[in-house]
Amino acid sequence: NAGVTQTPKFQVLKTGQSMTLQCAQDMNHEYMSWYRQDPGMGLRLIHYSVGAGITDQGEVPNGYNVSRSTTEDFPLRLLSAAPSQTSVYFCASSYSLTLSGNTIYFGEGSWLTVV
Amino acid sequence: DAKTTQPPSMDCAEGRAANLPCNHSTISGNEYVYWYRQIHSQGPQYIIHGLKNNETNEMASLIITEDRKSSTLILPHATLRDTAVYYCIVRGPSSNTGKLIFGQGTTLQVKP
Repeated sequence: NAGVTQTPKFQVLKTGQSMTLQCAQDMNHEYMSWYRQDPGMGLRLIHYSVGAGITDQGEVPNGYNVSRSTTEDFPLRLLSAAPSQTSVYFCASSYSLTLSGNTIYFGEGSWLTVV
Repeated sequence: DAKTTQPPSMDCAEGRAANLPCNHSTISGNEYVYWYRQIHSQGPQYIIHGLKNNETNEMASLIITEDRKSSTLILPHATLRDTAVYYCIVRGPSSNTGKLIFGQGTTLQVKP
């Protein structure tokens, strides 16, 4: 049981480039989400998914796309990277969005720098 | 989700118990208290959660007052590796997005 796995751990992009941050979980969790963490801003929700084929926007979705073709994977795509997207990105998952008291588990993070 | 209040920082001697308080005076009956910690910009690590009964696992104990307006996370024998930012989060089961709201947390410094 590897939990929530994120790749890559570190990435440097040039402005305008595109890339995909990968997230996979092996716990058969329905709910997956992406956060970004910036100094002094806390964790902000980018996108989330409540199951395969279902995604929705969080509080800071602009500049990011997601898809959920399988239960296990929830990739985050940066379409045209901007310096404002320099951040640490965390993927998280849990069994269910609505189940009372279920636990959300986080990956180790992906450090992205856009120059 | 109810707001939480935590002290910004605490110190603890290695080997001693660390008691981290959290106030959540506006908590409602179906909201859970969760504790996470973040060590040096690693991913937030789940510690424990509870509704109204005290809870214990291999990492910590959670003591919730009878009126549920406050709680205490107890690390029974703190080690240097427990130095981290600890977040107390109150979350209801009907969240529309599943988002966890991390406040400022308590920075726990475990000292030798």
